[in-house]
Amino acid sequence: DTAVSQTPKYLVTQMGNDKSIKCEQNLGHDTMYWYKQDSKKFLKIMFSYNNKELIINETVPNRFSPKSPDKAHLNLHINSLELGDSAVYFCASSPAGGSDEQFFGPGTRLTVL
Amino acid sequence: QKEVEQDPGPLSVPEGAIVSLNCTYSNSAFQYFMWYRQYSRKGPELLMYTYSSGNKEDGRFTAQVDKSSKYISLFIRDSQPSDSATYLCAMSAGGYQKVTFGTGTKLQVIP
Repeated sequence: DTAVSQTPKYLVTQMGNDKSIKCEQNLGHDTMYWYKQDSKKFLKIMFSYNNKELIINETVPNRFSPKSPDKAHLNLHINSLELGDSAVYFCASSPAGGSDEQFFGPGTRLTVL
Repeated sequence: QKEVEQDPGPLSVPEGAIVSLNCTYSNSAFQYFMWYRQYSRKGPELLMYTYSSGNKEDGRFTAQVDKSSKYISLFIRDSQPSDSATYLCAMSAGGYQKVTFGTGTKLQVIP
């Protein structure tokens, strides 16, 4: 009955590899997000999609490419992984925009060696 | 200057104490103010939500917003060990504007 789910939960990989993280929400929300949380717990927005359309694209290297096949799914593909990409990545969803409560997934802990 | 400033702590208090957590911000367009609680190795979950200035109470939790001072607070009464977590303030101008989070304050309530 998980509201926002992410896979995988843990990801350990070598520098230079390409990896994907998947996110699914069963809340019927229109808006989905990707956040990056660094080791100091700072949570920063990366992307936001509303009904499969990109609405927020923060200053993120273009090695990061989000894809939303439908409004219940938002995946994140990362090319040429770097050490600095090591962080916890959270997917979230909300009924509409930024004034609504956001529901977060459990996070994907990415470690780049 | 960061858009949202929050003391990272850690803050350590005895069980039963009143806890005060605060954030300041610089963007006068912010209208929606939230507090999220994040347990270790979990995703954040919404604790309190306030629109514009004023107070809101929910059980042991009270959120205050003072837009004139660009200052928000979260008070926890009768703190419990289960309140031990990181508390993140968050704010937004509304619509499809992004939500900006503070850096979080780590709270430990000692039994």
